[in-house]
Amino acid sequence: EADIYQTPRYLVIGTGKKITLECSQTMGHDKMYWYQQDPGMELHLIHYSYGVNSTEKGDLSSESTVSRIRTEHFPLTLESARPSHTSQYLCASSAGQGATPLHFGNGTRLTVT
Amino acid sequence: KNQVEQSPQSLIILEGKNCTLQCNYTVSPFSNLRWYKQDTGRGPVSLTIMTFSENTKSNGRYTATLDADTKQSSLHITASQLSDSASYICVVSRSGGSYIPTFGRGTSLIVHP
Repeated sequence: EADIYQTPRYLVIGTGKKITLECSQTMGHDKMYWYQQDPGMELHLIHYSYGVNSTEKGDLSSESTVSRIRTEHFPLTLESARPSHTSQYLCASSAGQGATPLHFGNGTRLTVT
Repeated sequence: KNQVEQSPQSLIILEGKNCTLQCNYTVSPFSNLRWYKQDTGRGPVSLTIMTFSENTKSNGRYTATLDADTKQSSLHITASQLSDSASYICVVSRSGGSYIPTFGRGTSLIVHP
């Protein structure tokens, strides 16, 4: 089992609230990723990082931001939550080159009312 | 556009039976293909990786095949168990440059007793 942790596990919040989803890994991986997953759909990349102080936007980066101040920590922030943000958010990390696997956390299930 | 298509979308089988899941991709240039297993409420976990030179690879009751010429892969599950009930996701990575893989939508497998 990979050592990557996401909190909270579940979150129900009202429209317009600012929220931060936490992700931490203890494997020393340089690369970290945030994905959004809806039922029956492929994972969509929101943001990714290749190391400290490195962040890049993915396909669904609008309305959210990330930071990578420490290797082990990669939080995702939604400045103003909307019902369309209701989804499963998965954090992942990987080491080395492209052949290394992604290690996923167990996700945060976000519901915006 | 680089794409990964999986079939069937869902599959129901009886415990003890075999099944085969399909993955077709257009990702180019090809680096590797991974099959992930995602249990309900958990993050995906890597089952096996296939590189360009590999045709078949087994991991217990899971056997993956790759035909790089036709850009097709399959995941065969032998003697299915109830614990095999999960979503199986095909993920293809490109060679060179970005380490961002392309995800399929997954096949949802349900094993009934």
